[in-house]
Amino acid sequence: AQSVTQPDIHITVSEGASLELRCNYSYGATPYLFWYVQSPGQGLQLLLKYFSGDTLVQGIKGFEAEFKRSQSSFNLRKPSVHWSDAAEYFCAVGPTGGGNKLTFGTGTQLKVEL
Amino acid sequence: DGGITQSPKYLFRKEGQNVTLSCEQNLNHDAMYWYRQDPGQGLRLIYYSQIVNDFQKGDIAEGYSVSREKKESFPLTVTSAQKNPTAFYLCASATGTKETQYFGPGTRLLVL
Repeated sequence: AQSVTQPDIHITVSEGASLELRCNYSYGATPYLFWYVQSPGQGLQLLLKYFSGDTLVQGIKGFEAEFKRSQSSFNLRKPSVHWSDAAEYFCAVGPTGGGNKLTFGTGTQLKVEL
Repeated sequence: DGGITQSPKYLFRKEGQNVTLSCEQNLNHDAMYWYRQDPGQGLRLIYYSQIVNDFQKGDIAEGYSVSREKKESFPLTVTSAQKNPTAFYLCASATGTKETQYFGPGTRLLVL
């Protein structure tokens, strides 16, 4: 069965420091991969996605992610974190079965220290 | 503005009561989805619909029902059979298979 693992439940970084959020997936074919961000009490906003092609994907708000098939990973990175980046981040893989279903990780809560 | 709207933002349910959560989109998307979010569990799929008048169960459909009478609307009813309904409910839509899902702002359901 498809699955997504986000090994870090909480991460704290200082403002201006670099960030890497980990995502590992289990999927039987070439996956579609997504990173979403959620502010408290809000819906999910798409940061970036990988469908095919260049394995380094650029997203909004200065984020990027790299698809590494050999490691089954799709880690999210940002070179310099801003206080406004504090939120919860979800990695997702799809399609899982019919209907374009996505399987989500359990999320990583990012705290930014000023 | 195009987007997905969910109402209400907060909803309270009494014991034995059915409640309906609204989800509307004006993106002309064919596919719509309902997720439940609990702390530490990520998002779990309740129901999804790829086309009007058709829908399928997701991973946790028990105690929930949906309808898809119009392309832009996909209401979710939380029935009295759902014994632990307190959660954050998110609606999403996509243009179709293998396309990005876009999310609404969510509805928080609380039990009185």
